[in-house]
Amino acid sequence: NAGVMQNPRHLVRRRGQEARLRCSPMKGHSHVYWYRQLPEEGLKFMVYLQKENIIDESGMPKERFSAEFPKEGPSILRIQQVVRGDSAAYFCASSPLGGNEQYFGPGTRLTVT
Amino acid sequence: EDKVVQSPLSLVVHEGDTVTLNCSYEVTNFRSLLWYKQEKKAPTFLFMLTSSGIEKKSGRLSSILDKKELFSILNITATQTGDSAIYLCAVEENYGQNFVFGPGTRLSVLP
Repeated sequence: NAGVMQNPRHLVRRRGQEARLRCSPMKGHSHVYWYRQLPEEGLKFMVYLQKENIIDESGMPKERFSAEFPKEGPSILRIQQVVRGDSAAYFCASSPLGGNEQYFGPGTRLTVT
Repeated sequence: EDKVVQSPLSLVVHEGDTVTLNCSYEVTNFRSLLWYKQEKKAPTFLFMLTSSGIEKKSGRLSSILDKKELFSILNITATQTGDSAIYLCAVEENYGQNFVFGPGTRLSVLP
C-alpha cells in the first residue's frame, strides 16, 4: 500500500513563473491537506480539500495560490507568478473519510530564484 | 530507505500521569528532528532539536535528542485532557531538502 506521493520532490522556478505541486493521497483516502513549512518554522495549514470540494482554505493566501482535488487524479497546489518568499517545503497529507489521522507525504521543496 | 519510527502508536493514560513518547530514525545527512502536536487541523510545532543531549523545555513538555543512538523522546508531565492528540515526529535531512514523518503516537488522556 503506497503512502502519500508528492511530485516533484524538488522544483526550481524563476520569479514570475508558475509552480504546480501534485499530491496523490493514500489509496482509499478522500481528504487532502496542504501545508507550507518555511525555514526554521513549523507547518502552516493552507487548505483542506475533499474530492471536487474545498472544505477549508483559511490558510491559503488570497492571491496567486489555488488548490484543487478533482474526481480523478492527484490534488494540485498551484502558485502563479511565484516570488522569492514562496520558497518553502510544501507538504500534503491525506486522511480517510471520518478519520483524524493524517498521513504525510515527503514534501516538495520549491525554490524560487 | 529513510524512515522514522514512533512508539507507542497509541497510549491511554489518566490525568496527572507522566508519559514518554519515542521517536527513532534512520536517515542520511540528518539535520534536525521536529516534534508536532496534531489535534483537529494543522499540527502545532513543539520543538526542533539539532544537538545531542540538550533538553528543550516548554511548560510540562520537554524533549531531548540522542544523535548517537538515533532517537528522541518527548516527555509530558502531569498530563491533562487537553494533551490528548497525535504527536508527530519528523526528521529533516540533507539540509532541508527532505522531511520524513513518523506515523505519530495517539495519546488519550482520561479525566
